[in-house]
Amino acid sequence: NAGVMQNPRHLVRRRGQEARLRCSPMKGHSHVYWYRQLPEEGLKFMVYLQKENIIDESGMPKERFSAEFPKEGPSILRIQQVVRGDSAAYFCASSPRVAGESYNEQFFGPGTRLTVL
Amino acid sequence: DAKTTQPPSMDCAEGRAANLPCNHSTISGNEYVYWYRQIHSQGPQYIIHGLKNNETNEMASLIITEDRKSSTLILPHATLRDTAVYYCIVRDWMDSSYKLIFGSGTRLLVRP
Repeated sequence: NAGVMQNPRHLVRRRGQEARLRCSPMKGHSHVYWYRQLPEEGLKFMVYLQKENIIDESGMPKERFSAEFPKEGPSILRIQQVVRGDSAAYFCASSPRVAGESYNEQFFGPGTRLTVL
Repeated sequence: DAKTTQPPSMDCAEGRAANLPCNHSTISGNEYVYWYRQIHSQGPQYIIHGLKNNETNEMASLIITEDRKSSTLILPHATLRDTAVYYCIVRDWMDSSYKLIFGSGTRLLVRP
């Protein structure tokens, strides 16, 4: 069973361009989370999605950032008009749908390192 | 904001036990204690979690004080590959968002 996959692993963009980060959850997982890690800092929650629904986007910047998890295909984190401050590692995690379970272990992908020139 | 406090760094000798403390004095009755670690720049890895009883798995042991205001993660025989940043996280199991709130963690260095 393959783990969480993210691509690309490294992405370089110039200021003003768009960045698209992809996340394929583990097989059978219907919950996806995106986190951002700035250099020398801990991970910060951005958004939580289930298939075709955004459940919690309380950590998403109000502008330029959007996320989706379509019925078919990977989850996409999209950053429009990137700025240097967007340079960071973006991690995706997935967890299974377990009704009534008191916890949900999250499995993390290897991350996408975005560099904005 | 993270609800936990951890020392910024620790070190231990290879083969010895590593004991990583965590304070969570405002923990509520619905909140579990989780531990994750991040090796170098990889994605975080789940280690263990607990509510009020001590827990053990193949990776580590988790000791939670009776008042649940603090806990200790124990790596019984640390190896060089255990060098990582360790994050202690509390999460409300009734929170339907399931998001993890990471603090600054403890950077553990295992010395040869």
